[in-house]
Amino acid sequence: AQSVTQLDSHVSVSEGTPVLLRCNYSSSYSPSLFWYVQHPNKGLQLLLKYTSAATLVKGINGFEAEFKKSETSFHLTKPSAHMSDAAEYFCVVSDPYSSASKIIFGSGTRLSIRP
Amino acid sequence: ETGVTQTPRHLVMGMTNKKSLKCEQHLGHNAMYWYKQSAKKPLELMFVYNFKEQTENNSVPSRFSPECPNSSHLFLHLHTLQPEDSALYLCASSQPLEGGMDTEAFFGQGTRLTVV
Repeated sequence: AQSVTQLDSHVSVSEGTPVLLRCNYSSSYSPSLFWYVQHPNKGLQLLLKYTSAATLVKGINGFEAEFKKSETSFHLTKPSAHMSDAAEYFCVVSDPYSSASKIIFGSGTRLSIRP
Repeated sequence: ETGVTQTPRHLVMGMTNKKSLKCEQHLGHNAMYWYKQSAKKPLELMFVYNFKEQTENNSVPSRFSPECPNSSHLFLHLHTLQPEDSALYLCASSQPLEGGMDTEAFFGQGTRLTVV
């Protein structure tokens, strides 16, 4: 069975400092992995995705994530936080050997940015 | 604009009412989903439809009844709801690919439901 764990429910950083949002997954095979962002009162927007190509994935708004199979991790990073990055972030796994078209969400990490 | 449209955006209903949420996608996807997002709880997968067939019912109470008349439309019929059903209901779509993989899911803006 597949699962995804976001290790921090809340992360707070100062503007201009690096961001690290942690995600670990469990999957029977090589999964597809995604990061989504949800701003207050808005829907979910795809930040980036990994689908077995390059292990370092670049997304929108300066975010990137690295797939590390040995650590079963897919942490999201950004070199320099901006106030507009304050939002809820979800790590998502889709496993081709699970039920067809089943996409599992992590519990989310709320990112706060201090001025 | 993600290509997935949900209506209404906000809904207030009494516990004895019957209402429906609508989701429409113009992306040509064949998989559609209903999720429930409650305050301070993880996103919960409710239902999955593949090529108009329900493939997942995540132990959802029968007061929630999904309907997928075609690959572009998904409904969630609501009746005799409880106050704890108040939440943001999100619709999503994706495209199943060969080998069992999927494209990423595209989400609508959600319907904010309040049960009084």
